Amino acid sequence: QKEVEQNSGPLSVPEGAIASLNCTYSDRGSQSFFWYRQYSGKSPELIMSIYSNGDKEDGRFTAQLNKASQYVSLLIRDSQPSDSATYLCAVNRPSGSARQLTFGSGTQLTVLP
Amino acid sequence: GAGVSQSPSNKVTEKGKDVELRCDPISGHTALYWYRQSLGQGLEFLIYFQGNSAPDKSGLPSDRFSAERTGGSVSTLTIQRTQQEDSAVYLCASSPGTSWGNEQFFGPGTRLTVL
Repeated sequence: QKEVEQNSGPLSVPEGAIASLNCTYSDRGSQSFFWYRQYSGKSPELIMSIYSNGDKEDGRFTAQLNKASQYVSLLIRDSQPSDSATYLCAVNRPSGSARQLTFGSGTQLTVLP
Repeated sequence: GAGVSQSPSNKVTEKGKDVELRCDPISGHTALYWYRQSLGQGLEFLIYFQGNSAPDKSGLPSDRFSAERTGGSVSTLTIQRTQQEDSAVYLCASSPGTSWGNEQFFGPGTRLTVL
């Protein structure tokens, strides 16, 4: 089992719709969770962080965390073509000396005009 | 403020040559990470520096790879005797400190092509 799993997609949604991106993780001790957006040919850009169960909203983005079920999701409301990118889920590795993040392989999102 | 910077942005080298990649983290960030991303693939952790502590080298793929961080700031990733499978984008990230909640901020990356 991969430490962090995401549906690879591609996920296509029409402009204005809600895009839902999901991520599951294997280490129950993980405490911090991040969503990064990566445009083609660019480096990852942090868009959301979440540490507590529940929802966290920032503009059109909502991150949801459920530690009991070990999943974290990202909702993008009123999706725009500019949201088309690969979204990476990252989870901290609580064990060991390093405060590392383990990244999922990413979900490719396409927002159709 | 200035973000993470990396140089060069692109590097083309011949198989067997050594290369050095540079990372300048965000000012004040004590943690620095190197990752590798091959075409269409996820991020592969390489090495982590935290302050003056010994680096975590657990992700380095072979002894041809090494990295150092001088003065707790700038870092250099060195690849000796490059191979074609080393071709990838090498990404550097920094974060403020040791707390598990710290977010990592990425530089633009160095695209390495080994001919």
